[in-house]
Amino acid sequence: DQQVKQNSPSLSVQEGRISILNCDYTNSMFDYFLWYKKYPAEGPTFLISISSIKDKNEDGRFTVFLNKSAKHLSLHIVPSQPGDSAVYFCAASSGAGSYQLTFGKGTKLSVIP
Amino acid sequence: ETGVTQSPTHLIKTRGQQVTLRCSSQSGHNTVSWYQQALGQGPQFIFQYYREEENGRGNFPPRFSGLQFPNYSSELNVNALELDDSALYLCASSTGGTGGRETQYFGPGTRLLVL
Repeated sequence: DQQVKQNSPSLSVQEGRISILNCDYTNSMFDYFLWYKKYPAEGPTFLISISSIKDKNEDGRFTVFLNKSAKHLSLHIVPSQPGDSAVYFCAASSGAGSYQLTFGKGTKLSVIP
Repeated sequence: ETGVTQSPTHLIKTRGQQVTLRCSSQSGHNTVSWYQQALGQGPQFIFQYYREEENGRGNFPPRFSGLQFPNYSSELNVNALELDDSALYLCASSTGGTGGRETQYFGPGTRLLVL
């Protein structure tokens, strides 16, 4: 039973446009969410996180939105650049003494020049 | 500041053998977590070590075991290897002690192939 779901295996976007990656979760105990980016032959690289007490967090070109009632979060990348082409993983933690991250299966983003 | 390093980068074993994977945590980090990433899947949590003690375990059998050393480096041991153990094994380090909200930083992984 997948607790974190990324329903789009892939996404293609033109350079300069907005990329929107989506993630849904089922476990109501999750209260901390992270996005990681992964290039081939490298480990996941931390991008941005958000606590459930917020509904938005911004860091440069990356913004994460959290809709707790819908159990949905999204990562916006504006403007998209060819170097953003990678697999993006959504991860969740139930915080407060928890220790594990639960990951989605990832979305492969291709930014076309 | 050095990042998380893992060794070896690639490994080929046969079914039934045992394997040891190693991880050096990022400077200043006292917590190490191990994940298994099968092809086409997201990483799955194996276990975590905090100050040399196992701090939690995912849904993996006892033949997956680990250690953390006083310098906070860590080992993952897998006994009686099975074909399904073929995967990318990722180590992540973090500062720990902040109630689960610390960011985990990943190493490049060890690619294990079991034949």
